[in-house]
Amino acid sequence: QQQVKQSPQSLIVQKGGISIINCAYENTAFDYFPWYQQFPGKGPALLIAIRPDVSEKKEGRFTISFNKSAKQFSLHIMDSQPGDSATYFCAARVSGSARQLTFGSGTQLTVLP
Amino acid sequence: DSGVTQTPKHLITATGQRVTLRCSPRSGDLSVYWYQQSLDQGLQFLIQYYNGEERAKGNILERFSAQQFPDLHSELNLSSLELGDSALYFCASSPYETGSYNTGELFFGEGSRLTVL
Repeated sequence: QQQVKQSPQSLIVQKGGISIINCAYENTAFDYFPWYQQFPGKGPALLIAIRPDVSEKKEGRFTISFNKSAKQFSLHIMDSQPGDSATYFCAARVSGSARQLTFGSGTQLTVLP
Repeated sequence: DSGVTQTPKHLITATGQRVTLRCSPRSGDLSVYWYQQSLDQGLQFLIQYYNGEERAKGNILERFSAQQFPDLHSELNLSSLELGDSALYFCASSPYETGSYNTGELFFGEGSRLTVL
């Protein structure tokens, strides 16, 4: 019940295109959904996060869409750039508990110039 | 730069050996988390310490142990190493014990890559 399923495993997009990464969860107690970005040789870094009481959050070219009834959330990268090439992890957590972030398996995004 | 320091960056050892990975959290952060990243399994939570005490345990093998010292740095000890223990081991820190929407960010170090031959 703690699992977060992420797809696709890898994604290749042309420069200027839209990158979409999807995640699904089972635990309805999750109430914090961040996305982390990891460049090669670096640790993951927080990109954007959302609470389940909103359906969408946008920060620049990055948007999280959240569907509480379907228990799914997705990351959209608009106008994808080669510099966006990285591994993206969705995650989920139960706020206020001692439980840790549960991560998805990651999506390796390649944006072609 | 996240402010989290991990050493060593790379480590090659043989099966059956024991290694220690070290993590210095960001200044002021009281929570330290250890994660294992394998090629096909993403980030797996191992253990969390808060201000010197164990707070949460994940999929940590009995051959692995960790501790957080009074100066808040943490060490992850891996013993009786097996080939399957080869992975990237990340340390992350946070100012908070639990965290919520506004306080849930984890700050990751650059990892320690362990290769067991």
